[in-house]
Amino acid sequence: RKEVEQDPGPFNVPEGATVAFNCTYSNSASQSFFWYRQDCRKEPKLLMSVYSSGNEDGRFTAQLNRASQYISLLIRDSKLSDSATYLCVVNAGTNAGKSTFGDGTTLTVKP
Amino acid sequence: DGGITQSPKYLFRKEGQNVTLSCEQNLNHDAMYWYRQDPGQGLRLIYYSQIVNDFQKGDIAEGYSVSREKKESFPLTVTSAQKNPTAFYLCASSSGGDYNEQFFGPGTRLTVL
Repeated sequence: RKEVEQDPGPFNVPEGATVAFNCTYSNSASQSFFWYRQDCRKEPKLLMSVYSSGNEDGRFTAQLNRASQYISLLIRDSKLSDSATYLCVVNAGTNAGKSTFGDGTTLTVKP
Repeated sequence: DGGITQSPKYLFRKEGQNVTLSCEQNLNHDAMYWYRQDPGQGLRLIYYSQIVNDFQKGDIAEGYSVSREKKESFPLTVTSAQKNPTAFYLCASSSGGDYNEQFFGPGTRLTVL
């Protein structure tokens, strides 16, 4: 079993739709969590950190469920420009130097 | 502007040659990382360094080597021992600590001819 698992998709949604991605992690000692966005043939860019209480940034909402060991990303009112691959990242905290990346979920927003 | 730079953007190499990829950051970050990404796949950690003059192997270190002589610089050498080096190589840095948000350079695409 992978340490961090994501549904690879692809998710194909129309503009304006709401879409949610989940990411599960196996290490219960994990301390911090992030969502990154990666466009085709580009580097990953930090989208948002995920806080214990959940957090929102415009159309994006991230949530953490420690009991079930998953994090989620909700995108409301999808735009064409949201089309990308979304990477889930988990830090164990026991070794500050190492993060574990999921393989990513691909989203395509269509007109 | 603060950031991470990688050079070159594209690199072509003949089989049997060593090649060195550059990574520089001016974010004053302690930690630096090298990842490899193959088409349609996720990032795999090659090496990471939490402090100058110290580095650790990641999940796929075989055939690669690194050095960390300066805080700002973390070059990666892809040696001839790496069996399938064609890939997208990404360098990242972070301030370290448990929270550890990483910031990436633009990457180097290496192709072995």
